[in-house]
Amino acid sequence: RKEVEQDPGPFNVPEGATVAFNCTYSNSASQSFFWYRQDCRKEPKLLMSVYSSGNEDGRFTAQLNRASQYISLLIRDSKLSDSATYLCVVTGNTGTASKLTFGTGTRLQVTL
Amino acid sequence: GAGVSQSPSNKVTEKGKDVELRCDPISGHTALYWYRQSLGQGLEFLIYFQGNSAPDKSGLPSDRFSAERTGGSVSTLTIQRTQQEDSAVYLCASSSAFSSYNEQFFGPGTRLTVL
Repeated sequence: RKEVEQDPGPFNVPEGATVAFNCTYSNSASQSFFWYRQDCRKEPKLLMSVYSSGNEDGRFTAQLNRASQYISLLIRDSKLSDSATYLCVVTGNTGTASKLTFGTGTRLQVTL
Repeated sequence: GAGVSQSPSNKVTEKGKDVELRCDPISGHTALYWYRQSLGQGLEFLIYFQGNSAPDKSGLPSDRFSAERTGGSVSTLTIQRTQQEDSAVYLCASSSAFSSYNEQFFGPGTRLTVL
């Protein structure tokens, strides 16, 4: 079983749609959680951190359920520019340096 | 400011040859990481360096892989006797000790093709 599992997609949605991505992780000791975005043939970039209380950044909302070891990302009012692969990421430590464990990513394609 | 840089951007080599990949982290970042991304696979952790501590080598796939970080800055990842399965994009990242949530900044990667 992979440490971080995601639906690979692709998710094809029209502009303006709301889309949700899910992720599960196997290591209950994981401490920090993130969503990274990776554009085609580019490096990953941090989209947002994920907290147990849930957090929102504009059109993006992330949720963490530690009991279920489940992380989600909701994108509202999708834009063409949101087309990318979204990577669910967990790490063992908070703050200090620690390796990131990545899911294989969920590809999103937003169309006109 | 300057981000993480990597060189070369592309490397084509023949099976059995050695290759060296270079990473220049963001100035002042104490932690440096190497990952690789194979076609259709997620990013796979290889090794990380944190300050003067011993590196975490737990992700290196075989003893053909090694990495150094000189002077706490530039890092070189060396792959000896390359195999076709080593073909991947090798990504370097760095992070600051002052980051409250360990945000890692990635370089553009080196695309390695082993023929």
